[in-house]
Amino acid sequence: EAQVTQNPRYLITVTGKKLTVTCSQNMNHEYMSWYRQDPGLGLRQIYYSMNVEVTDKGDVPEGYKVSRKEKRNFPLILESPSPNQTSLYFCASSTGQPGNQPQHFGDGTRLSIL
Amino acid sequence: RKEVEQDPGPFNVPEGATVAFNCTYSNSASQSFFWYRQDCRKEPKLLMSVYSSGNEDGRFTAQLNRASQYISLLIRDSKLSDSATYLCVVNRNAGKSTFGDGTTLTVKP
Repeated sequence: EAQVTQNPRYLITVTGKKLTVTCSQNMNHEYMSWYRQDPGLGLRQIYYSMNVEVTDKGDVPEGYKVSRKEKRNFPLILESPSPNQTSLYFCASSTGQPGNQPQHFGDGTRLSIL
Repeated sequence: RKEVEQDPGPFNVPEGATVAFNCTYSNSASQSFFWYRQDCRKEPKLLMSVYSSGNEDGRFTAQLNRASQYISLLIRDSKLSDSATYLCVVNRNAGKSTFGDGTTLTVKP
């Protein structure tokens, strides 16, 4: 089954404790992206990757890191999480140029930073 | 001003009604446009792509007006199952993707 898989689905942690949210897709998609969604708001793009070893900042990259060492994986790293990073996070992927193709989303990860 | 603006609603309509949502964007270099549906903070799911020529999928019609920089979504004969949040998405080249804040629709019996 074609899918985007995120882990964990839920996480409660404390300020300053490094965490990684994994994202994996099995569709051989070149493009992957991370978003956060806060109450009453749409999705805001954090980082995206056009292909392996190619990453770029979205609209809200501060406090986040990503890597794209393999085509299928695009982990989101919070080196020193803070309470304002409490949010619902989505990973997405698409084939080819995202300007032309719709994105497929993972189920989401709910992060609470205390 | 936000790059992509949507009327947040909520839109409360009876079953069978026709409802229309608009979404305006400010970047004239935007290349592609989509409508997504999101239920109760679950993952967004593609509803339809939006083309200048307009496109229709059953009860749903999407339209793009590049000159005025807006996209629209029309839902005819609303069903209870159409209740959701509708997100417009505007993609620029080189990977940047901007979502509207969403329009909430509630269809009532």
